[in-house]
Amino acid sequence: QTVVTQEPSFSVSPGGTVTLTCTLSSGSVSTTYRPSWSQQTPGQPPRTLIYNTNTRSSGVPDRFSGSILGSKAALTIAGAQADDESDYYCMFYMGNGFSLFGGGTKLTVL
Amino acid sequence: EVELLESGGDLEQPGKSLRLACGVSGLTFSDYAMSWVRRSPGKGLEWVSSISGTGDATYYADAVKGRFTISRDNSKNTVYLQMNSLRGEDTAIYYCAKLPGSSPGYWGQGTLVNVSS
Repeated sequence: QTVVTQEPSFSVSPGGTVTLTCTLSSGSVSTTYRPSWSQQTPGQPPRTLIYNTNTRSSGVPDRFSGSILGSKAALTIAGAQADDESDYYCMFYMGNGFSLFGGGTKLTVL
Repeated sequence: EVELLESGGDLEQPGKSLRLACGVSGLTFSDYAMSWVRRSPGKGLEWVSSISGTGDATYYADAVKGRFTISRDNSKNTVYLQMNSLRGEDTAIYYCAKLPGSSPGYWGQGTLVNVSS
């Protein structure tokens, strides 16, 4: 059973830069898995920030960027702001119709 | 603007059934696979099921296989999730989604399913 692992929590200072990562238990992440990143704040539905590894969704500030770093998918937030404090989820398309989410990272901005 | 609107969530007893529906507007519905994703209390997002654009292919997470059935009516721009033999661990907010892949993702507001006696 493939598992996607994210950092459970992360903290960043206002104005700072943070990189969240996602690893795949079955091996290295590649663009084949079309990694995406979604943000969810309490009481709100998820909002997709990044899709297809590094494409920003409409309206998403360019301080959010996606990449593959080594064997991991990564979301970098530059110039962190207070309202970036949220849960962040990566997702991989595993093929044959199946998708898989990571456990989520709770980001604190303080 | 793309909009997804779920309905059908409710309080239901273990072993009973519920049917969720999701109306979609703002995109060419039949061009896209559609999915259901849930978030249980204290847990993260969990992919539940997906259906191809034509409805010919369906996919399920192991946790719901054999109990849940996804379907769609492209004439009504609506996707459904029939949930049978409900269990306490099915308690969650259920989101209808056009999941991101090579194209953007879109999410509904969610509908609450509470399975309790």
